[in-house]
Amino acid sequence: DAGITQSPRHKVTETGTPVTLRCHQTENHRYMYWYRQDPGHGLRLIHYSYGVKDTDKGEVSDGYSVSRSKTEDFLLTLESATSSQTSVYFCAISSTGGALNFGPGTRLTVL
Amino acid sequence: QQQVKQSPQSLIVQKGGISIINCAYENTAFDYFPWYQQFPGKGPALLIAIRPDVSEKKEGRFTISFNKSAKQFSLHIMDSQPGDSATYFCAASSFQKLVFGTGTRLLVSP
Repeated sequence: DAGITQSPRHKVTETGTPVTLRCHQTENHRYMYWYRQDPGHGLRLIHYSYGVKDTDKGEVSDGYSVSRSKTEDFLLTLESATSSQTSVYFCAISSTGGALNFGPGTRLTVL
Repeated sequence: QQQVKQSPQSLIVQKGGISIINCAYENTAFDYFPWYQQFPGKGPALLIAIRPDVSEKKEGRFTISFNKSAKQFSLHIMDSQPGDSATYFCAASSFQKLVFGTGTRLLVSP
């Protein structure tokens, strides 16, 4: 987890509210990723970034948006949270797009 | 659809035994195959990785075997220890995007 922090670490919210998760890195890595982890599904890519203001969708991007205005920060926004978005969210970084270093995770519960 | 299929879902091995986890893929564009280890409440951590131009890579007690023609790869943990009890994920990468298997929960009994 060195060099990567996620905030908040835990959050409980209500259906329909917007939620923003933050990933911060001190490694100056080019690539940043958001994954969600659910039992039986492993880790699934939501969005990723290959540079400041350069982002692209992953396999489960519906209902999520991202922004990266600085190298060190990658924000994940749930525009209107739903119960199906209850999950553990992991941020990851990479210098090459190969090996990923993961953050500690954010546990999100949508009631 | 699951691009990387991982088995078994769970595994119990006695201390000192060999743990074997298997993965299969379809996309021939994958060019990097890592394994991750995850302990409860923590993020996944890179354990060992291989590229498709080699058939085996060994790091300590951990070995990846890679069969390009069969599109399969596996993780072998020799002399398994209770401290190896964790969830293991295989993954495959192409175009800087990593796709994960569904995970194997390993329990090494003392």
